[in-house]
Amino acid sequence: AQTVTQSQPEMSVQEAETVTLSCTYDTSESDYYLFWYKQPPSRQMILVIRQEAYKQQNATENRFSVNFQKAAKSFSLKISDSQLGDAAMYFCAYRSEGNQFYFGTGTSLTVIP
Amino acid sequence: DAGVTQSPTHLIKTRGQQVTLRCSPKSGHDTVSWYQQALGQGPQFIFQYYEEEERQRGNFPDRFSGHQFPNYSSELNVNALLLGDSALYLCASSFWGNEQFFGPGTRLTVL
Repeated sequence: AQTVTQSQPEMSVQEAETVTLSCTYDTSESDYYLFWYKQPPSRQMILVIRQEAYKQQNATENRFSVNFQKAAKSFSLKISDSQLGDAAMYFCAYRSEGNQFYFGTGTSLTVIP
Repeated sequence: DAGVTQSPTHLIKTRGQQVTLRCSPKSGHDTVSWYQQALGQGPQFIFQYYEEEERQRGNFPDRFSGHQFPNYSSELNVNALLLGDSALYLCASSFWGNEQFFGPGTRLTVL
């Protein structure tokens, strides 16, 4: 079975600075997708960014970018110019070939004014 | 577009009772997945419905069952509730294999 590991339960960053959240996964599949989701205190999960495993180019969405290392099975999220509204739980997720999603345990991000 | 909606928002039940949670997917989506999120944990996959059939199932007992209707809405049923079933239950919809959009969740408390 696929597993997703987020080794940083909590992270903090100064406003306007950059922070990187780590994620590793274990799989024997070759065709899969990876996602980062944000869950603010209001609890609705929001998609931040997605990465197709077959694409070598790292995905970017405005201030959010990923560092996808397929061989190392690593998928980190970089948040640039951090804003107070970025404070939330961040979940790394893996979508298998069978369209099943696996989530990590999350990283709680605090943004310090 | 209303997005994914879930009802009720909160629910309190006692051990042994049965509960039904409801989910309406985002317009244009045909696949509904259900997750259980315990406090401080990531969502755990329960099952997924597509074309009114259960297509995938996570490691949950048969007490957890579901249904998808022709309009793609879905229900999650949990029988013989245990204290450990207390959690946030999330519904997510997608157009088959594309990214999932989540609803706000139903907070279930079992006393």
